Order: sequence, then C-alpha cells, then structure tokens
Amino acid sequence: DVKVTQSSRYLVKRTGEKVFLECVQDMDHENMFWYRQDPGLGLRLIYFSYDVKMKEKGDIPEGYSVSREKKERFSLILESASTNQTSMYLCASSSGTAYGYTFGSGTRLTVV
Amino acid sequence: GQQLNQSPQSMFIQEGEDVSMNCTSSSIFNTWLWYKQDPGEGPVLLIALYKAGELTSNGRLTAQFGITRKDSFLNISASIPSDVGIYFCAGRGYGNKLVFGAGTILRVKS
Repeated sequence: DVKVTQSSRYLVKRTGEKVFLECVQDMDHENMFWYRQDPGLGLRLIYFSYDVKMKEKGDIPEGYSVSREKKERFSLILESASTNQTSMYLCASSSGTAYGYTFGSGTRLTVV
Repeated sequence: GQQLNQSPQSMFIQEGEDVSMNCTSSSIFNTWLWYKQDPGEGPVLLIALYKAGELTSNGRLTAQFGITRKDSFLNISASIPSDVGIYFCAGRGYGNKLVFGAGTILRVKS
C-alpha cells in the first residue's frame, strides 16, 4: 500500500515562529500536494508539485512556501506563523493524472 | 478556486437507514472520486468513477458519475455506526488537480 507519512500529528507553535511540516511518500509518486482543512470549508489547496524542485501555487498560497528537494519529500513552510494558520494540514500524493490522491493522516497545527 | 457544491452539509440518521449525498459542479469533470475521512485521520478513497453514466459499488456503497459529467452521487445502504465521518466528493477536469467538495458530515444514531 502507498503510504504518505506526515512527521507530526499535533503541533503547537507561537505566533511569528517559522514552522516546517514534513511529508514523505514511499511509492515514487511524481505529484505531491498540501491542503488545509477547516470546518465548513473543505480541503483547500495550498501548493503542489509535479516533480523535484517544481512547485506551483494552489488556491491559498499566501503565508506559505514549499520545498521539494527529493522526490519522496514535500515540505510546507510557514514563514511566520499566525493564529489564522491554525488548522489541519493534509499532505497527499498521486501518480500520473488518472488516479486519486493518497492522503497522510494530517497534522493539526495550533498557533498561539 | 473552482468549487464543488456538496450536499447535504451534515446528516444525522438512524442505524440501518440508507444515506444519499451528491455533488454538483458548473464545470465538466472527467473523473469523480468519493473519499471518507474518519475522525483524526486523512481522507481515504472509497470509489473512483471514470465514465459518464458509470455506476460503481464498493460493498454497501454505490456511486454514480452523472450523464452530464457535472454531478455525482454516493449512496450508503443500511448504515452502521462505523460509517460516521466526513465524506468528500472530488472531481478532476483537464489536468491533474482534484477539486474537492466541502464535505458531508455523517452521524449515525445506534
């Protein structure tokens, strides 16, 4: 089975801190995605990547950046965490264009 | 960004009842997917649909890809307590990105 692993299930950070959320997949998928999930808003795409060192903005990239130095790893960076970035963050990966995404278990981030 | 309209937003049903939820879009999609998210976990793929009119089952779950390619529905028959969670529809047009609905929260009363 494809596995997408997010490094932390729960994180608490202070306003202004730089935050790194890590995601690793083990099935050699080309595509990786970062979403945030908020009640009533569903899943909103932050950034995605189709290949190593490639990145594209999703629907809500403001306040975030990403890094993909290796195919299996896709990092989400909050440059200066703010309280409105308190959310559940979900990483996903996929292969090609025909299939669904495989999601990680999520990181629940609280910014205080 | 592009949005799907998913309804209902939430459901509270009796164990044993059938459940129906649907998604509509103003855009045509080539693929429809249905995911379930258990509390504290990431979404897991339930059913994938690739052709207009396609009807696919997975156990007690049945989903259909609408003829117009702008809608899809998911039915759950004889609901049980472990069906609780959030159900998401997702559609893919031309390209690789999926567009997700806002989710349907299912609560089952035993």
